Amino acid sequence: DTGVSQNPRHKITKRGQNVTFRCDPISEHNRLYWYRQTLGQGPEFLTYFQNEAQLEKSRLLSDRFSAERPKGSFSTLEIQRTEQGDSAMYLCASSLSRISGNTIYFGEGSWLTVV
Amino acid sequence: GDSVTQMEGPVTLSEEAFLTINCTYTATGYPSLFWYVQYPGEGLQLLLKATKADDKGSNKGFEATYRKETTSFHLEKGSVQVSDSAVYFCALSDQAAGNKLTFGGGTRVLVKP
Repeated sequence: DTGVSQNPRHKITKRGQNVTFRCDPISEHNRLYWYRQTLGQGPEFLTYFQNEAQLEKSRLLSDRFSAERPKGSFSTLEIQRTEQGDSAMYLCASSLSRISGNTIYFGEGSWLTVV
Repeated sequence: GDSVTQMEGPVTLSEEAFLTINCTYTATGYPSLFWYVQYPGEGLQLLLKATKADDKGSNKGFEATYRKETTSFHLEKGSVQVSDSAVYFCALSDQAAGNKLTFGGGTRVLVKP
């Protein structure tokens, strides 16, 4: 078990470009979450999947953001027409759904800098 | 909606001092409570958790007790080390909200030798 894996770890892009981040969850985990964290703040929920179904999207997830988990394994988060305000760390996490108290495990994060 | 409030930092301590970080929460259901730690440039690591009232989570000398009557989950450590310097996040997970985590704003702790 290698934990939650994210790549790329760092991305610098010009404003207006598209970027895509990939997340590989812990292998048996059926839930996958995306969070965004800006400097000095706590992580903010963006969206989550149970298997391949996207069950909830935050209002933070504008129409420039799209997330997929096509086969219920890895997930991608794409940001189109990036803006400077998109600069943040994008965290992926996974868990095995239980009735209560399921532990959510985080990856190392993908840093995005929009210049 | 659910929310978590934790004391603002930075908290600066000397090695072997006692650490307390206050955390209170608001939730509509019966949440599970967590403390995560984030070291510089890294993702979040689970430090400890408690799933029901009066449960005590503990790990690496850190402890926190789930207090339903005061809606609190304060983090404590009796003797901190320089290696405990990090940002600590209190969070809750509510089954009614898909078990996703809601985080506090984080508390930066700096331990000086």
